[in-house]
Order: sequence, then C-alpha cells, then structure tokens
Amino acid sequence: GAGVSQSPSNKVTEKGKDVELRCDPISGHTALYWYRQSLGQGLEFLIYFQGNSAPDKSGLPSDRFSAERTGGSVSTLTIQRTQQEDSAVYLCASSPLEASERVQETQYFGPGTRLLVL
Amino acid sequence: GQNIDQPTEMTATEGAIVQINCTYQTSGFNGLFWYQQHAGEAPTFLSYNVLDGLEEKGRFSSFLSRSKGYSYLLLKELQMKDSASYLCAVTLYNFNKFYFGSGTKLNVKP
Repeated sequence: GAGVSQSPSNKVTEKGKDVELRCDPISGHTALYWYRQSLGQGLEFLIYFQGNSAPDKSGLPSDRFSAERTGGSVSTLTIQRTQQEDSAVYLCASSPLEASERVQETQYFGPGTRLLVL
Repeated sequence: GQNIDQPTEMTATEGAIVQINCTYQTSGFNGLFWYQQHAGEAPTFLSYNVLDGLEEKGRFSSFLSRSKGYSYLLLKELQMKDSASYLCAVTLYNFNKFYFGSGTKLNVKP
C-alpha cells in the first residue's frame, strides 16, 4: 500500500530564497508531524497537525518557518529567507491516531526532503 | 523540558547480543517507542512499550521500567544489516507529541 510520500526528495537553494516542502500522508491518517534531522543528529520536532489544525507549533525554530495542512491530508512546510543552518533532512510522519483515542499509535515516516542551503 | 538520553555510538560483533539503553525524564509518560534508521533512510518502527516488562519480537526485544525511567533495546544474533541508528522516543499524556533521543549508532563488525 502507499506510504507517506514527500517532495521534493532533494532541494538545493540559495541563501535568502523561500522553499516549500510537501508531505502526502497515508490516506486516512489524521495526525501529521514534521521533524528536522541534521547530519548525525536525532529528530527535532517542528510541528504537529490533528486534522487541519496545529495544536502544537512549539518546535518551529523561528517565524521564517510555517506549515499548513488542507483537507486533512496534504501538508506543506514553508521556510522563508532560508539560511545555511536550515540545511537538514525534513521528515514527515503520519499516524492514524484520533484525538479521542488513548491508545498510542506509531508514526509512519516518509523518505524525507534533503535541503541544502548554499 | 523533556530529556531523553542514549549512548552516541556502540560497536558489536556479528552473531553477538547488544543492549542499547535509553533513559528519560519527562513530565508525564504514555509510552516509549524504538525506531531503526539506516543511513540516508527514514526511521522505521521496531517496538512500543507502555507497561513495565519485556516485549519480544523475533531477534529484537524491548524492556521498560517506568519507575526508573529506563528502557533498553536488545538485539540478538546480530547481523551486518543491523548496522544502523536506533532512536528512542517517548510520548506524554497529551500523547500526540513524540520526544526523540539523539539516537545510538550501532556498528556491527564481522
């Protein structure tokens, strides 16, 4: 079956340009997460969506970062005025978790977008 | 804040057993996950513990002690393909957010 997909798989951009990263979660998954992973590091939480709303934006590193999700499905992460320190792998994950459920479900990760800011 | 600690790197021999530890200090706890991540790839789910004790799944087992804030991942009969990073992640009572450790890079040698 189809898993989480992300596009582009690789993105090279110049410092100061805006970039938009896309995530297509597994169909029917209500929860969607964005993470950032720098080389050799763990996962840094960025933002979490439940449906179209984002109850937790606490991980966004600055106001240059924003994300939205439409139709409870596709999500885009936008980085404005990119900086070299934004270079990382951006991972998206989805989960079938419903807000009312108490049983924890795992996340299913996409392949990531490798962003390089020159 | 939340604190998840894992060793940075470990080395083991093919065919041996290795234990990767994870300690956590969090405000509230709702479960602990282990993920495997090969270089250049996305993490994949290995195990989930919410109650104390050992969960066995083939060559991999995961243990949890909630009172000690401690978990370990046990890999038996190591194979070369087990060379990867192993990520520990904790979820809290709001259970919609995952806190990841920095990962343990496991090198399996012949």
